[in-house]
Amino acid sequence: QQPVQSPQAVILREGEDAVINCSSSKALYSVHWYRQKHGEAPVFLMILLKGGEQKGHDKISASFNEKKQQSSLYLTASQLSYSGTYFCGTVYGGATNKLIFGTGTLLAVQP
Amino acid sequence: EPEVTQTPSHQVTQMGQEVILRCVPISNHLYFYWYRQILGQKVEFLVSFYNNEISEKSEIFDDQFSVERPDGSNFTLKIRSTKLEDSAMYFCASSAWPDTQYFGPGTRLTVL
Repeated sequence: QQPVQSPQAVILREGEDAVINCSSSKALYSVHWYRQKHGEAPVFLMILLKGGEQKGHDKISASFNEKKQQSSLYLTASQLSYSGTYFCGTVYGGATNKLIFGTGTLLAVQP
Repeated sequence: EPEVTQTPSHQVTQMGQEVILRCVPISNHLYFYWYRQILGQKVEFLVSFYNNEISEKSEIFDDQFSVERPDGSNFTLKIRSTKLEDSAMYFCASSAWPDTQYFGPGTRLTVL
C-alpha cells in the first residue's frame, strides 16, 4: 500500500516556503525523500529513521512522526532550482529495504 | 562523486524481443535494485539483489524478468519477451547498506 502525499501540486514564488506531507496507514521503518526533475532520475535528499528525528541541509529539512506514521518535508526560501516532483519513499519494517514511493508532489517555483 | 551509470539511455525494441538493460552500481555498494516508472506515474519497485541473489521482488517482476551480476561491476535486467506495457523508464539503484539508495539516470525502454 503506497503512502499518500499532499498536496498534489504547489506553485510558489521564489523565497516562499512550502510543506509536503507523506502519510502511511502502515507502520513505517524509514522515510526517504527524493526530488525528480522532468526526464531525470530521482535525486536523494534525505532519509529519516523511526524515532521522530528531524534532519535538514541548506534550506530543506524533514521530520518523521512515528506515532502518526507521517513525514513532512519543509522547503524554506524556495529557489528556482527546487522545482520538480517530490516523492517520499517508504520502507515498512526492518526485513525489507524496497522503497514504496508515494504519489508525488509537483512543485513549481516561479520568479 | 561516485554515481550509478546505466546503458543504453534509450532502447527501442519490437514486441516479443529480448532486451538487456545494464547498470554499473557505485563501486563499494552491496545492494542493488531495479525500479521502473511508467510515463507520468510514480516510481515502482521491481527487484532487490544482494549477495548474488534476489532478496525481494514485486508482483511486476514475473518470469519474463531476470537479473544478473555477471561480473564485479555490472548489474543487468533482462526482459525475455517484451510487451507494449513494458515501455517505461527503468532505473537502477544501489546502496552501501540497506538504506540510502542512489539512482542512476535511467534507461527509457520503448516497445513497439
